[in-house]
Amino acid sequence: AQSVSQHNHHVILSEAASLELGCNYSYGGTVNLFWYVQYPGQHLQLLLKYFSGDPLVKGIKGFEAEFIKSKFSFNLRKPSVQWSDTAEYFCAVTPMNRDDKIIFGKGTRLHILP
Amino acid sequence: SAVISQKPSRDICQRGTSLTIQCQVDSQVTMMFWYRQQPGQSLTLIATANQGSEATYESGFVIDKFPISRPNLTFSTLTVSNMSPEDSSIYLCSVLLPNFGEQYFGPGTRLTVT
Repeated sequence: AQSVSQHNHHVILSEAASLELGCNYSYGGTVNLFWYVQYPGQHLQLLLKYFSGDPLVKGIKGFEAEFIKSKFSFNLRKPSVQWSDTAEYFCAVTPMNRDDKIIFGKGTRLHILP
Repeated sequence: SAVISQKPSRDICQRGTSLTIQCQVDSQVTMMFWYRQQPGQSLTLIATANQGSEATYESGFVIDKFPISRPNLTFSTLTVSNMSPEDSSIYLCSVLLPNFGEQYFGPGTRLTVT
């Protein structure tokens, strides 16, 4: 069955540190890829997405992600985190033949120390 | 984008009772979904709410336990029936905007069953 794995369940960083959150998926066909973020007390919102084209995609708030097809990975990065980045981050995949149903990873809780 | 509202935002219910959650979208959408997010877990798709026909349930979820209505393209309800403490969770409504290929999520309904 298709699945999405996020390697880190809980990450703690200091402000200005660099961030990389890992995401791997298991599906051999064409996929759309997403990162969603859920700030404390708020609902899920889209951070960035990849459908096709340049595998390095830029999202809101300085985040970017790189799609590496050979590694089935879509890691999220930010060069310098801020306290306001404290949130839970979900990687998600839509396999193209699954009627647009999104499969989510278990999420990574990011805590930034001021 | 789409603006989604859910009612109630939270509720505390007794074992054996039922709760109906409402989801309202500010535009007509074809694809509407219901998810469950249990503490410390990822989002799990319960069902796809189809307008004018029965919902399509994912493995492990059945209509008797989670009846869904979808009377039009802007509204849906999810009922959690005969509740037990294991049903304590956040229930999320989501819509897919095909032109943008991304899903938007409601703020969620936090359910606690005692």
